[in-house]
Order: sequence, then structure tokens, then C-alpha cells
Amino acid sequence: DIQMTQSPSSVSASVGDRVTISCRASETISSWLAWYQQRPGQAPQLLIYSASSLQSGVPSRFSGNGSGTDFALTIYNLQPEDFATYYCQQSSSFPYTFGQGTTLDIK
Amino acid sequence: EVQLLESGGDLVQPGGSLRLSCAASGFTFGNFAMTWVRQTPGKGLEWVSLITHSGTNSYYADSVQGRFAISRDNSREILYLQMNNLRAEDTAVYFCAKSRLAVAGGRQYFYRLDVWGQGTTVTVSS
Repeated sequence: DIQMTQSPSSVSASVGDRVTISCRASETISSWLAWYQQRPGQAPQLLIYSASSLQSGVPSRFSGNGSGTDFALTIYNLQPEDFATYYCQQSSSFPYTFGQGTTLDIK
Repeated sequence: EVQLLESGGDLVQPGGSLRLSCAASGFTFGNFAMTWVRQTPGKGLEWVSLITHSGTNSYYADSVQGRFAISRDNSREILYLQMNNLRAEDTAVYFCAKSRLAVAGGRQYFYRLDVWGQGTTVTVSS
């Protein structure tokens, strides 16, 4: 199975900051990577798919890049509603797998 | 409005069985693959299972292979997850999600979960 490793596990930042979260796959997954945001008590929400495509309705301050094994999610100009947990997920081969999550909280 | 609504979560004893349902509305259910994802208390997300749009093919996480069965009724627009021989580690919130398909190099990739339900809670305990 492909293992997805996110770093850091948690990060603190302030409103207006820029934050980058990394995701590494244990083998190449091309660009078959998605990013999800989950706020407490809510279902996950799709942010980015195919490594860098922004899901409809998602603010443009979210950006994804990478291919192969190394990927990143960058959030520019952090807003209060962005403080949440973020997960990457590979869809290159079954079983699909998620990263362990990165919690973004307010400094 | 596109919506998914899970139900069927309950408290069940180890070794018991449970069937979860996910009712879809607002989109042509039979055109899309569907996925189950779970989240253990205070932990991260775990991909559980996927079924193709017609129900022809299904895939499972290693942790549930042989114990869980995913199925669908396209005429009723309902997704199911039959869970047998339940263990304490199956305790989780179970989400269903609509899956989008891409085809590249002759292979199928269910590359994004673009609509999620709110989840149903399964507790396995004696």
C-alpha cells in the first residue's frame, strides 16, 4: 500500500500569514493527489484535486503543487475560517490512502 | 442541492454486524462511483471502500477486506456498507462521498471526493 506522510503534524500561524503543508508518498503517484479541509465537527471538504486544480468554490488563496512523490498545499493570507485540519489523499492505486493530517491552529 | 445522508450507525457488540446506508439526492446517482471513509475518535481519515457507478467493481482497505461489503441500489439511489465481524477498532464516524472518475493511459482513477455526507457513528463495544 502507498503510505502518505504529512508534515508538520501541527502548525501555528496568525491571520494574514502564509502556511505550507507537505505531503510525501511512499512511491510515485503522478498527480493523483487531493487535499481536504476538515473543520471540527464537520465532514471533510475538497480543496484541491490532481495536485494543483482548485475545486469550484474554493478561495484562490489555496494552492497546490507537486508531482511524483512530493506535494505541497499553500494557504496565502490566512483567514479565521482556515484554521482546521488538512489531509492529503492519493488515488493512484488501491487501496487509496490518506495522510495522517496536519492541524493548523491560531498562534 | 446535492446531498448525501448516512444512517444506520449504532452501538454493536464485537463480532456483530451492521449495515450503513447513504441516501443520495440532487445528482444522477447511477453515474458516479461512491466511497466510504471513516474517522476514528480524535484521529485521522481512513479510506474504507469504493464501488464503481454500476456496482460492477469494488475495492477495500486491507483492514476491512473480507469483513465489509459495499453495494448500491441505483434505482433507489442508496449506497450501502455491510459490516460483519466488527471489532473495537472499527469504532468510527463513517462518511459516504461521491467520487469523480478520470481515465488516463487506459486506467481509471477515482481522483476526487467532491461531495460528502455528515457521517454516521458506529461504536463497537461490549
